Parts: sequence; structure tokens; C-alpha cells
Amino acid sequence: EPEVTQTPSHQVTQMGQEVILRCVPISNHLYFYWYRQILGQKVEFLVSFYNNEISEKSEIFDDQFSVERPDGSNFTLKIRSTKLEDSAMYFCASSATETQYFGPGTRLLVL
Amino acid sequence: DQQVKQNSPSLSVQEGRISILNCDYTNSMFDYFLWYKKYPAEGPTFLISISSIKDKNEDGRFTVFLNKSAKHLSLHIVPSQPGDSAVYFCAATVYNQGGKLIFGQGTELSVKP
Repeated sequence: EPEVTQTPSHQVTQMGQEVILRCVPISNHLYFYWYRQILGQKVEFLVSFYNNEISEKSEIFDDQFSVERPDGSNFTLKIRSTKLEDSAMYFCASSATETQYFGPGTRLLVL
Repeated sequence: DQQVKQNSPSLSVQEGRISILNCDYTNSMFDYFLWYKKYPAEGPTFLISISSIKDKNEDGRFTVFLNKSAKHLSLHIVPSQPGDSAVYFCAATVYNQGGKLIFGQGTELSVKP
């Protein structure tokens, strides 16, 4: 069964550093998303992406964040200058219709 | 702005009995609802969904009920199994092909043998 994959599974970085989180969505899906979950809180929407552009973004998704689909398979989330409060699980999801399928997540720890 | 609420943070059920997880929403524009199951350190796994044109959808042991007038949905698991122990999230979206999901806070289900 096709699945969404994410790398790395864990990332530790120093505050102010740039990080790139990578995702490979399910191959025939056209809609891509990033969500995050801060420890103990709910899963929050960050951004959606369709047809090589951002469809929608949340208030969290400020100028420090960017997304890219650099080739036909990868979908990346870049955080330019990480802050302590960016520490969270980051989930990539993809969909062909309304049902979104999630990857296993990247645990980001900012020190 | 809690548009989707799961008021029970935890639920404990005996193996073989019914588990009922509840979810309330406030935004009447939501027209598609999903339930996800999540284990620690893993991503949410899709379980079952329902469109607002229906009031029930069934898939094996899992049934989702939607009461639009009450803005309430529930997930029934019958019979419950120890492997069902996980955190269950309900999520809602507006059908527009690529709409964001709004999640509830989750309910941790524990099924005891």
C-alpha cells in the first residue's frame, strides 16, 4: 500500500539554524500539506500546496517558513532561522481527494 | 478558536465492549469529517470518514455517526480490541479539493484485556 514517507525521523538543531524537512507524498496525489504538533497539543495546519503553489497557509506559517516541490517526488518544508518554539513533530500529508494521508513525522528539537 | 472539540481526553473500555468517541464542531461550513488513529511518535493513520450528506458510515468494526443539527459526530468501535488503544483524533474540513483539516485535541482510548 502506498504511503507518505518523511526524512529525517529526528532532527536536533541550534536556534537560528536553517532546517529542511523532506517528504515523499503518495505518487498519484496532487495536494500536499504540512502540519505540526507541539508536545501535548493538537495537530495544527501549516500550509497546503497544489499545482506548484501555496493554496492556503496558517498564521503560524510566517516568513521563516517556505515549501517547495523541487522535483516530481519530493516536497520540502524549510525553516530559515529556527526558534525554540519551533520544536514539534512535523507531519507531511498528501491527498487525491478529501482524505489526507499522513507520513510518520519528523521530530524537530531546537536547542 | 476551537472549531473542533473532543471533550474527553481519555476513555477506558473493556475488551469486547463498545468504545464511543465523541467530537463536536462549531463551524457549519464543515462538510467532511474524518477520524484518525495515532500511536506515540507516529503519524495519524486514517480510519474512516463521512460526508455531511450522510448520517452514518460503516467500515468493519468502525462506524461514524454524524448529527448535523447538533454539530456532533461519534466513532463507535465494536468490539473493542487491545490493539485499538491509541489516541483518536477527529478532523473536519470544507470540501474544496485540498482544504485544510482542523483537528480536535484527541481522545486517548485504552482497551483493557
